[in-house]
Amino acid sequence: DAGVIQSPRHEVTEMGQEVTLRCKPISGHNSLFWYRQTMMRGLELLIYFNNNVPIDDSGMPEDRFSAKMPNASFSTLKIQPSEPRDSAVYFCASSSRQGNTEAFFGQGTRLTVV
Amino acid sequence: AQSVTQLDSQVPVFEEAPVELRCNYSSSVSVYLFWYVQYPNQGLQLLLKYLSGSTLVESINGFEAEFNKSQTSFHLRKPSVHISDTAEYFCAVTDSWGKLQFGAGTQVVVTP
Repeated sequence: DAGVIQSPRHEVTEMGQEVTLRCKPISGHNSLFWYRQTMMRGLELLIYFNNNVPIDDSGMPEDRFSAKMPNASFSTLKIQPSEPRDSAVYFCASSSRQGNTEAFFGQGTRLTVV
Repeated sequence: AQSVTQLDSQVPVFEEAPVELRCNYSSSVSVYLFWYVQYPNQGLQLLLKYLSGSTLVESINGFEAEFNKSQTSFHLRKPSVHISDTAEYFCAVTDSWGKLQFGAGTQVVVTP
């Protein structure tokens, strides 16, 4: 398996633009997580899905952020409009069962909003 | 709600010396515990995990961690570090619902 695949690896955009980050989880995994990593706040859990259903989105910072999982093999995280403070590395991770197995991480998307 | 506290933000250590990274968690339910490692410009990789059974768990590269329920701790140790162990280490906790929460991370810097 190729692991969790995220695209793009790097994204530079101007403030106010819409940004869409993409994630393909490992085949057969039914839990998917979106994290944001910054120097100031560390790793923050934004949202997680189980069987394509959002279970907890309490970490989503604002209404500008939205996430979808239309099927078991694809998820998106959208920021509209983007702001400079959204600059961070965004990670997607997936796991095969609830709780008692490890999550596998993608390489991350480094987002820079100028 | 569950949370994870890593007590040290940075740990400098000399090569071949031992290292211990501290992790405490809080949770009202049974938990599963993990240590992940992150090398520069990479994603997180699992180092070891505690799900059930023996409270002492080991990784293939010499790290070990002990689950202590009474002290709600899951400290990570290695008796002799290498330069290549320089990385950031994250303690994480999840419950049966699968919400994976991370600590703030501990940066380990190994010097010759």
